[in-house]
Amino acid sequence: RKEVEQDPGPFNVPEGATVAFNCTYSNSASQSFFWYRQDCRKEPKLLMSVYSSGNEDGRFTAQLNRASQYISLLIRDSKLSDSATYLCVVPTGGFKTIFGAGTRLFVKA
Amino acid sequence: IAGITQAPTSQILAAGRRMTLRCTQDMRHNAMYWYRQDLGLGLRLIHYSNTAGTTGKGEVPDGYSVSRANTDDFPLTLASAVPSQTSVYFCASSKAGGADTQYFGPGTRLTVL
Repeated sequence: RKEVEQDPGPFNVPEGATVAFNCTYSNSASQSFFWYRQDCRKEPKLLMSVYSSGNEDGRFTAQLNRASQYISLLIRDSKLSDSATYLCVVPTGGFKTIFGAGTRLFVKA
Repeated sequence: IAGITQAPTSQILAAGRRMTLRCTQDMRHNAMYWYRQDLGLGLRLIHYSNTAGTTGKGEVPDGYSVSRANTDDFPLTLASAVPSQTSVYFCASSKAGGADTQYFGPGTRLTVL
């Protein structure tokens, strides 16, 4: 089992739709989690951090389920500009961080 | 400079040649990282440094070396490039350890022929 697994997608959704991605992790000791966004051929940028049960920022909601070892990202009212790859990130202790391979999202008009 | 810069933006390199990828940050972050990103594999940590003067190995360190002479600079060297090192390389930094937000440079696209 990979340390961090994501559904690669792609998810193709219309504007205004709600879409959710899941990410599973294997290290039960991990305490903090992140979602990064990566646009095509660009660097990853922090979208949200998740330190407890969840976090909400506008249209974006991240939730953590420690018992089942997964985190989710919910995007409401999708915009064309949300089209990107979303990376699930799990620090594993010290200075080592595991990045998921990413989930691709395409939002269409 | 604002954030992290990397140079070169892209490079085509003959196998066997030596290459140094440069990374500079102006945020006075203690920790710096080098990742490679390959299609379908996500970012993989090559080397990291938790403070000037110290470095550590990541997930895929073979064929690469780093140094951290000061806070701002963290160069990555390929002593003798091989085609399997063709990838996009990202440098990142964070205030503290891996549980802190990481800020990435724009990346270097390296092709080894």
